[in-house]
Amino acid sequence: EAGVAQSPRYKIIEKRQSVAFWCNPISGHATLYWYQQILGQGPKLLIQFQNNGVVDDSQLPKDRFSAERLKGVDSTLKIQPAKLEDSAVYLCASSSRGETQYFGPGTRLLVL
Amino acid sequence: ELKVEQNPLFLSMQEGKNYTIYCNYSTTSDRLYWYRQDPGKSLESLFVLLSNGAVKQEGRLMASLDTKARLSTLHITAAVHDLSATYFCALQGGSEKLVFGKGMKLTVNP
Repeated sequence: EAGVAQSPRYKIIEKRQSVAFWCNPISGHATLYWYQQILGQGPKLLIQFQNNGVVDDSQLPKDRFSAERLKGVDSTLKIQPAKLEDSAVYLCASSSRGETQYFGPGTRLLVL
Repeated sequence: ELKVEQNPLFLSMQEGKNYTIYCNYSTTSDRLYWYRQDPGKSLESLFVLLSNGAVKQEGRLMASLDTKARLSTLHITAAVHDLSATYFCALQGGSEKLVFGKGMKLTVNP
């Protein structure tokens, strides 16, 4: 069974630029999560989708971050404009409802 | 607010030794997870603990859950170098999201 796929794996941008990340969950997983992991910390949930609806986006900085999952399968997370403090690893995870979350390899973002 | 605290945050130990790491949390939850993360890699699920008194073992790692004390432990038996990694505990909160601790970086020295 294929795991969670993410791209790109690495991205370096300058502050105030925009960037987008893509995630394809495990087939059949209705729930998709985006987490931000800052160096030395545990992942923090940014947004959670159930199919194509948002379940929880309470910790998403909505003035600069946006995410969508239009067809209930893959998802994109966008940052516009990026700030230095957005440098982190962005992890996508998926699960069958209520079950173990499986994580993708992550996108490492460096904002200069 | 759901909070998860791990201690210690850093541990250096010798091969062959035993050690227990701790995860405390602030409110009740249906599920507690342990994940492993190798440097530069993503998170790998190790255990999910569902009920009070639950104990699970895989190789040299054993996890347990005490819901009354709001405490989970991860016991390492006869450590080997391959166990070097960062270990996270995470609690499943409302809407099924995971709230993670800061992680415990384990280094096992020959």
